[in-house]
Amino acid sequence: DAGVIQSPRHEVTEMGQEVTLRCKPISGHDYLFWYRQTMMRGLELLIYFNNNVPIDDSGMPEDRFSAKMPNASFSTLKIQPSEPRDSAVYFCASSTRTGRGAQHFGDGTRLSIL
Amino acid sequence: SQQGEEDPQALSIQEGENATMNCSYKTSINNLQWYRQNSGRGLVHLILIRSNEREKHSGRLRVTLDTSKKSSSLLITASRAADTASYFCATAGRGGADGLTFGKGTHLIIQP
Repeated sequence: DAGVIQSPRHEVTEMGQEVTLRCKPISGHDYLFWYRQTMMRGLELLIYFNNNVPIDDSGMPEDRFSAKMPNASFSTLKIQPSEPRDSAVYFCASSTRTGRGAQHFGDGTRLSIL
Repeated sequence: SQQGEEDPQALSIQEGENATMNCSYKTSINNLQWYRQNSGRGLVHLILIRSNEREKHSGRLRVTLDTSKKSSSLLITASRAADTASYFCATAGRGGADGLTFGKGTHLIIQP
C-alpha cells in the first residue's frame, strides 16, 4: 500500500505569495495531522482532522495559516501571505482508528520563503 | 510546547556498539512512542509502549518506561551504519486532545 504522499517536495517562493501544500493520507486512515519542523522549535503539531473534520487547530501559528480536508483522501495546508519565518519542513501524517497510536509520515515539503 | 526531552542531543559510537537514548516528559501519558528520521525523510514509527508497560522489545530495539520518573529509554543493540539517523520520542496524553507531542530528538551517528 502506498504511504502518505506529500507535494510538492520543495517549494521556494517570495514573501507575500500564497503557498499551498498537499497531502494524500493512507487509505482507510481516520486521522490526519499537519506538523512543522524547524531546528529551533523541533516538530510542532499544527492541526489535526478526524474523519475529515478539524478537531484541534490550536497549533496553527496565525490566521495566515489555514487547512482543509474536503474528502478522506486529500488535505491542504495554505499560507497566505507567506513570510520568511514560515520557512520550515512541513509534514503530513495519518493514523488509523486512534489519534494516539502510531503515525505514518510523508516525506515532507521543504518550504523556503525568500 | 515540547513534552519530551531527549538526551543526549547527539551521540556518536562505533558500529557494533550499543546506543542508548533517553527521553523525559512532564505530564501523564497514555503511551510513549519512538520514531526514527533519516536525513531528508519523514519520521518512521519504531515502537509504542503503553503507560502500564515497563519494557518492550522489537528486533534490536529495547524500550523501557518508568512512569514514576516520567522517563523512557531506547536501546539499539549491535548498531549498524544504517542506524545513523535522528531518534525522537513522542507522548500521547491521557486526556484532552489526540495527537502526539515530540521531543527535539537525538542525532545518532554510527561510525563504520
